[in-house]
Order: sequence, then structure tokens, then C-alpha cells
Amino acid sequence: KQEVTQIPAALSVPEGENLVLNCSFTDSAIYNLQWFRQDPGKGLTSLLLIQSSQREQTSGRLNASLDKSSGRSTLYIAASQPGDSATYLCAAAAGGGSNYKLTFGKGTLLTVNP
Amino acid sequence: EPEVTQTPSHQVTQMGQEVILRCVPISNHLYFYWYRQILGQKVEFLVSFYNNEISEKSEIFDDQFSVERPDGSNFTLKIRSTKLEDSAMYFCARRTLGTDTQYFGPGTRLTVL
Repeated sequence: KQEVTQIPAALSVPEGENLVLNCSFTDSAIYNLQWFRQDPGKGLTSLLLIQSSQREQTSGRLNASLDKSSGRSTLYIAASQPGDSATYLCAAAAGGGSNYKLTFGKGTLLTVNP
Repeated sequence: EPEVTQTPSHQVTQMGQEVILRCVPISNHLYFYWYRQILGQKVEFLVSFYNNEISEKSEIFDDQFSVERPDGSNFTLKIRSTKLEDSAMYFCARRTLGTDTQYFGPGTRLTVL
């Protein structure tokens, strides 16, 4: 059974700092890995998706990497802003087609202080 | 991508009552999912649905739960005889054929008293 762990559970940084969020998963036979953002009381917004054959994906100030063999992914946020404050969730996808489903970590609560 | 909408945003019910959570509107040729998040816990997969059939379900999705598309558009999650531990945020998600990104709705907060 896939288990996804995220560290740290919470992180507080000053505005402008670069930061790294970590995600680990126990079963390396993943289909892909996704990073989501969750604002309080809101749904999940997909940030980046890395296919199992890829090493990294970039979107603006966000860069996500994937190392399947070690069961790790990182989300790098450059030049953090107060608007980046949210919970960041990592999710490992198993299977494709009709068997596709996500296993989530508990998230990292990020606070960027002005 | 079109947004996923869910109704109601908040549902309060008495223990033992039945609730129906809705995911609207729905287009064709999509996979649909229900996930739940108990307060302070991980988002957990409940069930996936495609072509009017359940594709996969978790151990959480027992006989108390059911899903359907009663009118060909709305995608519903029914919880029979609710229990206190069913209190959670319930998220509907969709995925288009040929893509891998899941788009989540804003969720329905279910409170069982």
C-alpha cells in the first residue's frame, strides 16, 4: 500500500526566500506525481504534474523534481511571496486509465511573512 | 479547464440520516472521483467512476456509500445512515480522457451531529 509523507509539516519563511518542500513515497511504481495547493476551506489546485518518466517540471517560480528510485519528490519555490501561503500537498498516482487514483501526503503548511 | 462545482457547500445532518452530495455540472467522456478529508488528516481516495460504472473503490467505500449519475449530468455521492466519523470535507474531482491532471471542486463540508 502506497504511503506518502511530507516534511516539514509546517514552514514559516520571510518574503523573498527560496524554499524546498519534501515528499517521499514508499512504492516507486508510480504513474505520476502531482503537487497541489490548498487554501483554507477551499479545494485543491493542481500546480505541477511529473510523469514517472520525467525528472522535473517547471511552472513560473515553481520547480518540482522526481526521483523514483529513491521515492522522493521536491517542490522548489523561488522568491516566495505572501500569496504563496497555503498548504502544499503531494500526491502519488497509481495505475492508469480506469485504475488511476491519487494517494496524498498530509501536506506542508507554508507561511510567507511580509 | 471548466471548474468543478459542488453542492451544497456545507451540509449539517443528524447521525443516522442519509445525505446526498452533488458534483455539477458534468461533461461527457470524463473520469470522476470522490475524495474525503477528515479535519487535520490526509485527503483520502473513496471511489472512481467512469462510463456509469465504479472503476475502483477504497476500503473506506463500503455499503454505506454509493455513487451515481441520476440524470446524466450530476454526479452524486450518497451516504446512508451517517455516523459521527463521516464528518469531513468531501471533494469531487474530474479527469479528462487522455490527460492525467485531476481538477478538484471546492468541496462539501459534511457535519454529522
